[in-house]
Amino acid sequence: SQQGEEDPQALSIQEGENATMNCSYKTSINNLQWYRQNSGRGLVHLILIRSNEREKHSGRLRVTLDTSKKSSSLLITASRAADTASYFCATLNTGNQFYFGTGTSLTVIP
Amino acid sequence: DAGVTQSPTHLIKTRGQQVTLRCSPKSGHDTVSWYQQALGQGPQFIFQYYEEEERQRGNFPDRFSGHQFPNYSSELNVNALLLGDSALYLCASSLLGHTASGNTIYFGEGSWLTVV
Repeated sequence: SQQGEEDPQALSIQEGENATMNCSYKTSINNLQWYRQNSGRGLVHLILIRSNEREKHSGRLRVTLDTSKKSSSLLITASRAADTASYFCATLNTGNQFYFGTGTSLTVIP
Repeated sequence: DAGVTQSPTHLIKTRGQQVTLRCSPKSGHDTVSWYQQALGQGPQFIFQYYEEEERQRGNFPDRFSGHQFPNYSSELNVNALLLGDSALYLCASSLLGHTASGNTIYFGEGSWLTVV
């Protein structure tokens, strides 16, 4: 399977703490994107990082990409209860196919 | 600027029946992809439509078929429904002509299908 893997599968932190989740993938990619999904809802695009980029920031989000290790991380700083959701990484490979990881379920405790 | 819209939001079907789900892509987008997301799982790629043709397909049986119309909207059809087809079906739109490295994929809210 070309699907990526996220870890941890579940993460529970206190409000105000930072949350880090990791994603590994298997094929060469054009870009990697992170999405957020509230329970039973659609996927909301958070951030895109191109294969030639190593780090990207957007508000409280920081994404890194290491193509040599085929891995990426998403850091959410100063977490809020409203950040509680599932987070998925998705890779766009060189065949323009888009594959999702298995997701990290984040719970932020107020 | 309308985002990706899907209909219906929820539906219940009986085993053996057929279902059609609909999607309108984000304004300006020409490519529609469909994903199946079972409870607790990540989305699985079903297929992608561009220029009214199926361009790529994931590991799904022929019971899953689709169509893209000249206005870029799309339908997903599933025949001979099985209990295991119960899932959230997500539509995603993108612009195939855009630089691949900057190609952001946008998703609709999904259609919840329950097969009983």
